[in-house]
Amino acid sequence: GDSVTQMEGPVTLSEEAFLTINCTYTATGYPSLFWYVQYPGEGLQLLLKATKADDKGSNKGFEATYRKETTSFHLEKGSVQVSDSAVYFCALSGPNTGNQFYFGTGTSLTVIP
Amino acid sequence: GAGVSQTPSNKVTEKGKYVELRCDPISGHTALYWYRQSLGQGPEFLIYFQGTGAADDSGLPNDRFFAVRPEGSVSTLKIQRTERGDSAVYLCASSLLPSAQETQYFGPGTRLLVL
Repeated sequence: GDSVTQMEGPVTLSEEAFLTINCTYTATGYPSLFWYVQYPGEGLQLLLKATKADDKGSNKGFEATYRKETTSFHLEKGSVQVSDSAVYFCALSGPNTGNQFYFGTGTSLTVIP
Repeated sequence: GAGVSQTPSNKVTEKGKYVELRCDPISGHTALYWYRQSLGQGPEFLIYFQGTGAADDSGLPNDRFFAVRPEGSVSTLKIQRTERGDSAVYLCASSLLPSAQETQYFGPGTRLLVL
């Protein structure tokens, strides 16, 4: 069935470091791909999304490109800040999933000053 | 505008008891979803409503779990004869349209602890 495999954490980076969180997916058909973020004590928030191959989602300095050939949707940011410390979830939703989301297990990021 | 709200924010109950968890979606959103998130895991799908009807309940773990959305807005997740393994954060989400491309907006969750 459809699934998402996400880079395991936790990840600890210094401020201004480059961030990559890997996400690969398995799906029949062409899913939509999402990154959600959960800040400490808060609910899940959409960070960015891409709904078709080669689309790039971007928000708050984060980017991810929908790569059909490698079935990937890696999250990147050029210079992380302390305020980016959170748990990041990759998710997919597709024509064969009945609109439900399949989430990865989450990657915890801590950015130290 | 108001986001998705869930009540209660925390619920402690004893094994064998009945609980109800409430979700108030964003006004005008036709699709509503329930997920369950265990510690250290991503949310797992339980059930999805399109309007008043359950379009997909394939994620409900067993017949102790039931959900309703009688007027196409507020939804209630009901758990009978609770077990310790039901302890988790129960998340509700809504989307404007029932489409795989639509963003789902999540509530803050109800943290359920079964003693």
